[in-house]
Amino acid sequence: KQEVTQIPAALSVPEGENLVLNCSFTDSAIYNLQWFRQDPGKGLTSLLLIQSSQREQTSGRLNASLDKSSGRSTLYIAASQPGDSATYLCAVVSSGNTPLVFGKGTRLSVIA
Amino acid sequence: DAGVIQSPRHEVTEMGQEVTLRCKPISGHDYLFWYRQTMMRGLELLIYFNNNVPIDDSGMPEDRFSAKMPNASFSTLKIQPSEPRDSAVYFCASTSGGGQPQHFGDGTRLSIL
Repeated sequence: KQEVTQIPAALSVPEGENLVLNCSFTDSAIYNLQWFRQDPGKGLTSLLLIQSSQREQTSGRLNASLDKSSGRSTLYIAASQPGDSATYLCAVVSSGNTPLVFGKGTRLSVIA
Repeated sequence: DAGVIQSPRHEVTEMGQEVTLRCKPISGHDYLFWYRQTMMRGLELLIYFNNNVPIDDSGMPEDRFSAKMPNASFSTLKIQPSEPRDSAVYFCASTSGGGQPQHFGDGTRLSIL
């Protein structure tokens, strides 16, 4: 059974810092990996999706990498801003049409 | 484009009452998922549909939970009778499949007193 772990559970950084969020999964046979952002009391916003054949994806100040063989992904946020404060969730699917298996998230606070 | 639409946004009801949660997926999406989010367990799948047919309901906690998808634009998740431990945020998501991203609704925050 696939399990997804995110470390740390919470992180507080000063504004302007570059930071890395970590995600690991137990079964390397994934189809893709998705990073989401969740603001308090809100739904999930998809940030980046990495296919199993890809090594990384970039969107603005966000960069996600994938090392499928070692079962790891990282989300790099450059020049963090208070508006980046949210919970970041990592999720994987084992085939193209199966449900997401989620980690429990990293709660990020960026202090002005 | 309209995203995934869920209703109600909030529901507070007493134990034993029937609860019905509703979801309208994005038009053209063939897959619909129901997830539940709690502090203890995080986000977990309850059930998912493909072309209105339930594919995997192994995440449905017990017989008190049921889900239907009578057509491509509407799904319901029903809890009867409700219990306090059902209190959670329930999310609906849809995708066109083929590894495309899942798009989530804003969720229904359910409180059973």
